[in-house]
Amino acid sequence: EAGVVQSPRYKIIEKKQPVAFWCNPISGHNTLYWYLQNLGQGPELLIRYENEEAVDDSQLPKDRFSAERLKGVDSTLKIQPAELGDSAVYLCASSLNSGGFNEQFFGPGTRLTVL
Amino acid sequence: QKEVEQDPGPLSVPEGAIVSLNCTYSNSAFQYFMWYRQYSRKGPELLMYTYSSGNKEDGRFTAQVDKSSKYISLFIRDSQPSDSATYLCAMSDSSNYQLIWGAGTKLIIKP
Repeated sequence: EAGVVQSPRYKIIEKKQPVAFWCNPISGHNTLYWYLQNLGQGPELLIRYENEEAVDDSQLPKDRFSAERLKGVDSTLKIQPAELGDSAVYLCASSLNSGGFNEQFFGPGTRLTVL
Repeated sequence: QKEVEQDPGPLSVPEGAIVSLNCTYSNSAFQYFMWYRQYSRKGPELLMYTYSSGNKEDGRFTAQVDKSSKYISLFIRDSQPSDSATYLCAMSDSSNYQLIWGAGTKLIIKP
């Protein structure tokens, strides 16, 4: 069974440019998460989807970040415009559901460098 | 003060040693306790999961939860160079899906 797929793996952009990350979760997983991970830190949740609905986006900086999950499968996270402080690894994860304990499966992440 | 504290290391030990990794937390409502392993340039993967208190063993790995002390541990026996990675603890309460993560401990097993 294929794991969580993310692309691109690496992205280098100049500040103020837009950037988008794509995630394909494990088939059948209803819940999708986007995390940000800085060097030497644990992941920080940005947004959680239940199917196509964003049920928790309280930590998403909405002035520059946006996300969508069309048809409740693939998801895209966008930053426009990017700032120097956005340099980090952006991780996508999926789980069957989100109630109780549900193992989250992570993709390899997209490493973003903003110059 | 962070909700979950974890020593970032690095922790360097010789091959075959017993490794002890720890996290402390402040929220007494946490019920689910997890250990994730993250190799360089990879996403975290679940290693061990414990509900409430007690011990859980899986091969060379043992997870312990002491809720009275708000302290969790991961022990690795007969450590191997392939165990070299960053180990992240994560936890959540029973009503919230959201994981609260430690910063991760970088472990280096020297051949």
